[in-house]
Amino acid sequence: AQSVSQHNHHVILSEAASLELGCNYSYGGTVNLFWYVQYPGQHLQLLLKYFSGDPLVKGIKGFEAEFIKSKFSFNLRKPSVQWSDTAEYFCAVNTKSGYSTLTFGKGTMLLVSP
Amino acid sequence: DARVTQTPRHKVTEMGQEVTMRCQPILGHNTVFWYRQTMMQGLELLAYFRNRAPLDDSGMPKDRFSAEMPDATLATLKIQPSEPRDSAVYFCASGFELSGNEQFFGPGTRLTVL
Repeated sequence: AQSVSQHNHHVILSEAASLELGCNYSYGGTVNLFWYVQYPGQHLQLLLKYFSGDPLVKGIKGFEAEFIKSKFSFNLRKPSVQWSDTAEYFCAVNTKSGYSTLTFGKGTMLLVSP
Repeated sequence: DARVTQTPRHKVTEMGQEVTMRCQPILGHNTVFWYRQTMMQGLELLAYFRNRAPLDDSGMPKDRFSAEMPDATLATLKIQPSEPRDSAVYFCASGFELSGNEQFFGPGTRLTVL
């Protein structure tokens, strides 16, 4: 079964700092990859997704992620964070096996101080 | 703007009581998922339906939890009897399987069992 690990449980940054959140998955086959964001008290919303093609994926709010197949990684980046980016970020993977379930990482709580 | 809706948004109940949570998936979606989110365990998949048929409920405590889709516009998650350890936020998500398995989340039901 696939698994997803997110390296940091908590990250604290100042506004304008650059962000990189790590995500690694374990599955040898072809995957779909997702980053979801959960703002305080809200539901999960899709930030970006990778299905195929260009491994550098751009999402909403200035976020991007790079799929590196050889490293089984899908790290999330943003050049300059804002206070409004304070949220929990979840990496998720789905295998292209016809089964729709997503396997989520434990999440990374990002706190951006003004 | 199509959204997944869930009711109730908040539920406080006493141990031993029955709890029913409802979800209306996005019209046209053919997959529905129930997740439980806690601080300790993160996001756990409880149940997965495709075309209203249950495909995976291995994450659900069978003795007290049950999930159904009486029709394409309604999914229910029932706990009977409820226990304090069931206190969590329960999310419903829906998707369309041929679109890469992206899932759209509802606002969640925050359940507190006293």
